[in-house]
Amino acid sequence: EAQVTQNPRYLITVTGKKLTVTCSQNMNHEYMSWYRQDPGLGLRQIYYSMNVEVTDKGDVPEGYKVSRKEKRNFPLILESPSPNQTSLYFCASSFDGTGSSGANVLTFGAGSRLTVL
Amino acid sequence: AQTVTQSQPEMSVQEAETVTLSCTYDTSESDYYLFWYKQPPSRQMILVIRQEAYKQQNATENRFSVNFQKAAKSFSLKISDSQLGDAAMYFCAYRSATPGNSGGSNYKLTFGKGTLLTVNP
Repeated sequence: EAQVTQNPRYLITVTGKKLTVTCSQNMNHEYMSWYRQDPGLGLRQIYYSMNVEVTDKGDVPEGYKVSRKEKRNFPLILESPSPNQTSLYFCASSFDGTGSSGANVLTFGAGSRLTVL
Repeated sequence: AQTVTQSQPEMSVQEAETVTLSCTYDTSESDYYLFWYKQPPSRQMILVIRQEAYKQQNATENRFSVNFQKAAKSFSLKISDSQLGDAAMYFCAYRSATPGNSGGSNYKLTFGKGTLLTVNP
């Protein structure tokens, strides 16, 4: 089944304890990105990657890191989490940003609910 | 920068009836894509329908259809024969067809704040 898999789905952690949220897709997509969803603010892009070893900041990158060493994986790293990073996180992927026949459609993972105490 | 506005924070509809969710957007681009995503209580983001801006014909997917008015920058979603399973948060989203100056910055999805749809039995 074509999908984007995120782990963990739920996590409660404490301030300053490094954590990684993994994201993997099995659709050979080139484009991958991370979003966070907060009440009243909607979904906002954190980072994106156009392909292996090509990553760039989105709208709210502060406090996050990413890497893209393999095409299928795009982990989100919180080096020193803070309470304001408590949120629902989504990983998403597509073939690229353009094209027809669905190449521009972003497929989302199931979401990761993160709480930082 | 592009913006997407959903002016209805909440809507309700009777089962089997029709409901229309509104969305407007602001852009200076001529080539782009528009989407409606559904987010049920499970929080999964599910694509409902998409529209290419260069196509004049409105997209349709079974009971879901859109009214795309490019000049007015309007993209409403019509749900016919509403079912209990349609109850969810609905997000309108915009995606550029051009990469932007930094090679992909425009490819992000810009979302509206969402409309919470309740379906009454």
